[in-house]
Amino acid sequence: EIVLTQSPATVSLSPGERATLSCRASQSVSTYLAWYQQKPDQAPRLLIYDASNRATGVPARFSGSGSGTDFTLTISSLEPEDFAVYYCQQRGNWPPFLTFGGGTKVEIK
Amino acid sequence: QVQLVESGGGVVQPGGSLRLSCAASGFTFSTHGMHWVRQGPGKGLEWVAFTRYDEGHKWYADSVKGRFAISRDNSRNTLYLQMDSLRTEDTAIYYCAKPQGAVTGYFDYWGRGTLVTVSS
Repeated sequence: EIVLTQSPATVSLSPGERATLSCRASQSVSTYLAWYQQKPDQAPRLLIYDASNRATGVPARFSGSGSGTDFTLTISSLEPEDFAVYYCQQRGNWPPFLTFGGGTKVEIK
Repeated sequence: QVQLVESGGGVVQPGGSLRLSCAASGFTFSTHGMHWVRQGPGKGLEWVAFTRYDEGHKWYADSVKGRFAISRDNSRNTLYLQMDSLRTEDTAIYYCAKPQGAVTGYFDYWGRGTLVTVSS
């Protein structure tokens, strides 16, 4: 099973600041990695797929990069609505395995 | 627009059973595989199960294999999850999720979820 480790667990930032979130895989997943945003009491929302492609309707301030085992989600300038939990997810060995990282909470400083 | 509406959650004792449903609309359900994903209270996301559009292939997380069964009724645009031999660690919000286009390993639409609580 491929394990995804996200860091940091929590980051405190102010609106307008840049957020850099990390996701590390226990073995290579090529570029088969996605990022999701989840707000309290809501379902997750797909932001980025295949490491760097923005999903439909996702603002340009969200960008993804990386390949192999190291990936980054960057939010260039935080808006008030961006404070949420972010999860990475891999499909490198799908089927039959799909796994999520433990999440990074972006909170208001 | 795509809508996924889960139902069937509730409180059940350990060892009990429950069947979840997910009513789909806004897309051609019969041509898409579908997933179940769960989230324990205050925890992260865990993929649970997948069925191909025609039920020709089904896959399960190791944590539920042999206890849960995914199925679908394409005539009713409905996805199911039969959960047997439930354990306290199965307590979670259960989401049905539509895969992104032809790529079945990402999730582009999610329902609001249904809460399953396993407790004596």
